[in-house]
Amino acid sequence: GAVVSQHPSWVICKSGTSVKIECRSLDFQATTMFWYRQFPKQSLMLMATSNEGSKATYEQGVEKDKFLINHASLTLSTLTVTSAHPEDSSFYICSARELAGDHNEQFFGPGTRLTVL
Amino acid sequence: SQKIEQNSEALNIQEGKTATLTCNYTNYSPAYLQWYRQDPGRGPVFLLLIRENEKEKRKERLKVTFDTTLKQSLFHITASQPADSATYLCALDPYNQGGKLIFGQGTELSVKP
Repeated sequence: GAVVSQHPSWVICKSGTSVKIECRSLDFQATTMFWYRQFPKQSLMLMATSNEGSKATYEQGVEKDKFLINHASLTLSTLTVTSAHPEDSSFYICSARELAGDHNEQFFGPGTRLTVL
Repeated sequence: SQKIEQNSEALNIQEGKTATLTCNYTNYSPAYLQWYRQDPGRGPVFLLLIRENEKEKRKERLKVTFDTTLKQSLFHITASQPADSATYLCALDPYNQGGKLIFGQGTELSVKP
């Protein structure tokens, strides 16, 4: 099956710094990638939809200036958490959509654990 | 308001039995409904997709049903094994929302040997 990677798998940073997370589709092209956040024992919450070559679409309540998304190629999307604070500590997961016929199967990355001190 | 709900309590069953997980939704018109498995500290893994005009889908020991009248999906694992222990997430794929998925909170399944 299709593989999505994320880098780094975990990161610890000081409050006020910025952190970049990469999401790559390894063996397919993804015109659309999605970024989710998951707090412990909770479900995945969609943060934004990232389309190659255009601006990301953010969900209500997600600050676009704080969570910068870039989807510069068909295999790479990045999420930058700017001026991170402890409340941004979470598990960030990306997914990439492969359109095959009329399916909408999404392939998820392994996630990135962000801890802000 | 729109809601998607899964059994919030963990499900504990004996090895070899059938596990049944429930997903209920309100105020959505999903084109598809999907089930994922998530292990601790990992991203979700796709299991099955069922379309709105399909009643049932099977894959090996897995079976999914989809009742758009009841607004409910049931996910069954037959002959369960300890390796099936994980959190199972249902996700709606509503019409005209660009393919984004709406996830339930997940049900934790524990299969005891």
